[in-house]
Amino acid sequence: GQQVMQIPQYQHVQEGEDFTTYCNSSTTLSNIQWYKQRPGGHPVFLIQLVKSGEVKKQKRLTFQFGEAKKNSSLHITATQTTDVGTYFCAETFTGGGNKLTFGTGTQLKVEL
Amino acid sequence: SQTIHQWPATLVQPVGSPLSLECTVEGTSNPNLYWYRQAAGRGLQLLFYSVGIGQISSEVPQNLSASRPQDRQFILSSKKLLLSDSGFYLCAWSVSYSEQYFGPGTRLTVT
Repeated sequence: GQQVMQIPQYQHVQEGEDFTTYCNSSTTLSNIQWYKQRPGGHPVFLIQLVKSGEVKKQKRLTFQFGEAKKNSSLHITATQTTDVGTYFCAETFTGGGNKLTFGTGTQLKVEL
Repeated sequence: SQTIHQWPATLVQPVGSPLSLECTVEGTSNPNLYWYRQAAGRGLQLLFYSVGIGQISSEVPQNLSASRPQDRQFILSSKKLLLSDSGFYLCAWSVSYSEQYFGPGTRLTVT
């Protein structure tokens, strides 16, 4: 089956430091979505990337889709305590049902 | 606007007991519906999805089942719970090839 690996698994940063999580696939991705799950909460959709080399920004968050569409990254500039949570990438399966294959997730902790 | 409801929020059940978790969506028609399970500190595992009433696809063989008796209602069931069924159960919906919206989830502890 499809495998979507994320690194790192955990990341502790000091508030104000940058953070990056990487999502890698062994196969070409049709498109990729990113979700954030706060501790004790449910995943919340952040963004979808579709085009090769696509870069999208949401305030301090920058999302990138690789040229070969086999990897993606999420970069947070100057982390804040509100960024705490687990970030998941997810590949859309273009067959029936709009299924998602979620990555393993990166848990971010931000210390003051 | 669309909303998704799940209940109960938490549940403690003994091994061997039955299970019924319900999910309903408001404000949209003919959504795709999904059940996921998340073990503590782990990723999301897709259990079932449905593209229409009575249409259920199973992703992982197990002692769970799902049903969709109405367009915006999705039910997860088990006849006899196992300890390994403990986890955080999340329902989600989507339309077409778009993002998924998750409900608040049910934390199930099987004792």
